[in-house]
Amino acid sequence: VQLVQSGAAVKKPGASVKISCEASGYTFTAYYIHWVRQAPGQGLQWIGCINPYNGATNFAQKFQGRVTMSRDTSITTAYMEMNRLTSDDTAVYYCAREVAAAARGSWFDPWGQGTLVTVSS
Amino acid sequence: QSMLTQPPSVSAAPGQKVTISCSGSSSTIGNNYVYWYLQLPGTAPKLLIYDNSERPSGVPDRFSGSKSGTSATLGITGLQTGDEADYFCGTWDSSLSAWVFGGGTKLTVL
Repeated sequence: VQLVQSGAAVKKPGASVKISCEASGYTFTAYYIHWVRQAPGQGLQWIGCINPYNGATNFAQKFQGRVTMSRDTSITTAYMEMNRLTSDDTAVYYCAREVAAAARGSWFDPWGQGTLVTVSS
Repeated sequence: QSMLTQPPSVSAAPGQKVTISCSGSSSTIGNNYVYWYLQLPGTAPKLLIYDNSERPSGVPDRFSGSKSGTSATLGITGLQTGDEADYFCGTWDSSLSAWVFGGGTKLTVL
């Protein structure tokens, strides 16, 4: 099971960035994909998730209206696009697969290797 | 601002034991499972503990998790220099309908 993300990106304030997350080693449509970011020296912040089966999405309130998530099941790849970037969006962005067990909880495993997005003028 | 509170750092000598706390609320830890992730320098987080106290296959029994009320604890015994990393707790926030994490705790093995 592996998630491989696209490479680092440098963007100017106000621009958009689209990151890909290619899944392999499991049935892509059976597990949600989540996106989490980590600003330099900071903790983890959940952005939202997508159900690859039907494309349904759920976002943290902070990112609603500024983030879109999509997927292409033919190439087992999920995408996250963030608009209107500011310097505060400079961070490493991770995708992660949600594993859920009946009558138990759900957790993120594995995580992608991360994609550094730098927003700078 | 993190919804879960962790100490910024902990340290102990090789071979010793350390605990890392994670404090939340009734809408987070109090009513949901807690997860712990290990992040080695420059790498992605990796699942360490799931459902409060369960270890994925491959995680040594030196690592343990527990939960009581609105707090959770990660314990590591027989510390090794290779355990130096950042440790994050995470859980679902039923009020926000969002996943939340702690700010992370940096473990130093002296």
